[in-house]
Amino acid sequence: SQQGEEDPQALSIQEGENATMNCSYKTSINNLQWYRQNSGRGLVHLILIRSNEREKHSGRLRVTLDTSKKSSSLLITASRAADTASYFCATDLGYGGSQGNLIFGKGTKLSVKP
Amino acid sequence: DAMVIQNPRYQVTQFGKPVTLSCSQTLNHNVMYWYQQKSSQAPKLLFHYYDKDFNNEADTPDNFQSRRPNTSFCFLDIRSPGLGDAAMYLCATSPRWGGSDEQYFGPGTRLTVT
Repeated sequence: SQQGEEDPQALSIQEGENATMNCSYKTSINNLQWYRQNSGRGLVHLILIRSNEREKHSGRLRVTLDTSKKSSSLLITASRAADTASYFCATDLGYGGSQGNLIFGKGTKLSVKP
Repeated sequence: DAMVIQNPRYQVTQFGKPVTLSCSQTLNHNVMYWYQQKSSQAPKLLFHYYDKDFNNEADTPDNFQSRRPNTSFCFLDIRSPGLGDAAMYLCATSPRWGGSDEQYFGPGTRLTVT
């Protein structure tokens, strides 16, 4: 069953604008990760945020986590055409035998126009 | 550079004809994963190996098998591919099992079933 759900499904912006993607999940988690996937390629890890963290930064990326709302957001500032990709959140489960496995959402397809 | 390699990148097989996809890694990670990703969908975990211990997801069809002859290599065997098995197959690795580690993905093998 799907754990994470990204919103919006698709986002189109101009180069230089900020892009915000959201992820909601259903059950408690230990960690939440964000990945990027360029068209027809494998996934690339962006950021991991733990359940006891509220915000994390990496270059132009900012991730927030609100465990009370079971949601996370990924902000890409000053976007570039090269940021065009699909972005996935992935969560492990905070309980049960599969807590090590990552469950991916369907992703947000970001298009950055030059 | 340490990496995850998948061969071939594109594979065409006939309905019902067995096919094997391969994955190798130079990261020396203990855990290897196989995911199936259909168009515009989330990657779905099929199984993972922790060292030589094989772990099958409950809803992975029996048609899918895997072998890990050593730390570096892992194979995905599809015994009788159906049209519904056409997808991108992603191999990933991580140092430890558990959502606290990022996963390193290969570029994927796109399988077409005719």
